[in-house]
Formats: sequence, C-alpha cells, structure tokens
Amino acid sequence: DQQVKQNSPSLSVQEGRISILNCDYTNSMFDYFLWYKKYPAEGPTFLISISSIKDKNEDGRFTVFLNKSAKHLSLHIVPSQPGDSAVYFCAAKYAGKSTFGDGTTLTVKP
Amino acid sequence: DGGITQSPKYLFRKEGQNVTLSCEQNLNHDAMYWYRQDPGQGLRLIYYSQIVNDFQKGDIAEGYSVSREKKESFPLTVTSAQKNPTAFYLCASTGTGVNQPQHFGDGTRLSIL
Repeated sequence: DQQVKQNSPSLSVQEGRISILNCDYTNSMFDYFLWYKKYPAEGPTFLISISSIKDKNEDGRFTVFLNKSAKHLSLHIVPSQPGDSAVYFCAAKYAGKSTFGDGTTLTVKP
Repeated sequence: DGGITQSPKYLFRKEGQNVTLSCEQNLNHDAMYWYRQDPGQGLRLIYYSQIVNDFQKGDIAEGYSVSREKKESFPLTVTSAQKNPTAFYLCASTGTGVNQPQHFGDGTRLSIL
C-alpha cells in the first residue's frame, strides 16, 4: 500500500509558464513534507519543505502548498526554466523516516 | 567540499556472490540511510542508522546487511539471499535537528550478471 503517491509520471510545460507537481498521501501521522529534485546519474537534492502546521512555504520561484484535510501537497515553479527539467520526488516524514513518491519527470521546453 | 561519496558508481557481480557498497560522509551527520530505487519507482528504505553502532531495518531489509562502526561510514552488503538485487542504490545522511533534509550521494548502480 503506497502511502505517498505522485499520480503524474510526467509533465511537460513551456518555458516561462507555471509547473504544478502534485503529491497525495494517506498517512495522517506524516508531519513534515519535502520536495527533492533529481538529475540523471545523480542523487536527489533537497528543494523545499513544509511543516504540517503550515499551508504554504515559498522560496524564490518555488512554492509548496499543503492541504492537510485533502492530504495533498503541490509544488509550483514559476516561471519554469529549461534547467528545471528533472525528476521531482515528494517525501513525507514521520518519526525520522521519510517515505517517497515515485517521482514526476518535468520537462520544460524552450 | 562536504558531501557523501558512494563508490563505485557501477558494480557488476555474478549471481550468488555477496557485494558491499561503500558510503562515506564528511558532513558530521549522525543519521545515515540506504535506499533502493527501481525504474519508475520511488526510493524505498533498506536500512537506517541514527547513531554509531546502531541501525534499524527499513521497509525492504531482507537480503541486505549493514554496519555502522564509524560515524562517517555506512556500508551496505547485498547478500546472495536478495532475490532481485539489480537496482540503483542511494545513500543519504541527515544532520542534527527534527526535520533536516537528507543529503544524498550520487548512487551505485548494481547489476547482477
């Protein structure tokens, strides 16, 4: 039973437009959520996070929204750039352990 | 530069042989983790260690073993008991603090011939 799901395996957007990546979870015990970005042949790198007591966190072009009642979080990238093309993983934490989604491959077209 | 080093990047072994993947960090992090990634899937936790000389099983520990004799090192052994060992293996570490993000190495791709 997958506790963290990223239902869109891929997303393609035009440069300059908004990218919205979605993530759903089932375990209400998760209390911290993170997004990681991964380029081919490299390990994931941390992008942005949000605590369960907040509903929004912003860092430059990246904003993460959390809807606890819907058990849903999303990552907005505005404006999208070709260098943002990568695989994005959402992760949910509880008791020091992280559970990852399967990832969404974002392609930003010039 | 501080970071996590995984070696080798590619590893080939014959079926039935044990193989050990190296993970070294110079970030002075207490917690270290091993994940497995299969194509099109997310990261699944194999083992983790929150302090030297202590480690716990993750979600898919069967067929794997670890040790944590030094703070900076967390080697993973893939044993012959692991039925499908071909995968991409990622090591990570976390600093002190409740919700610190994980720092990852660049992974080892293990192929069983």
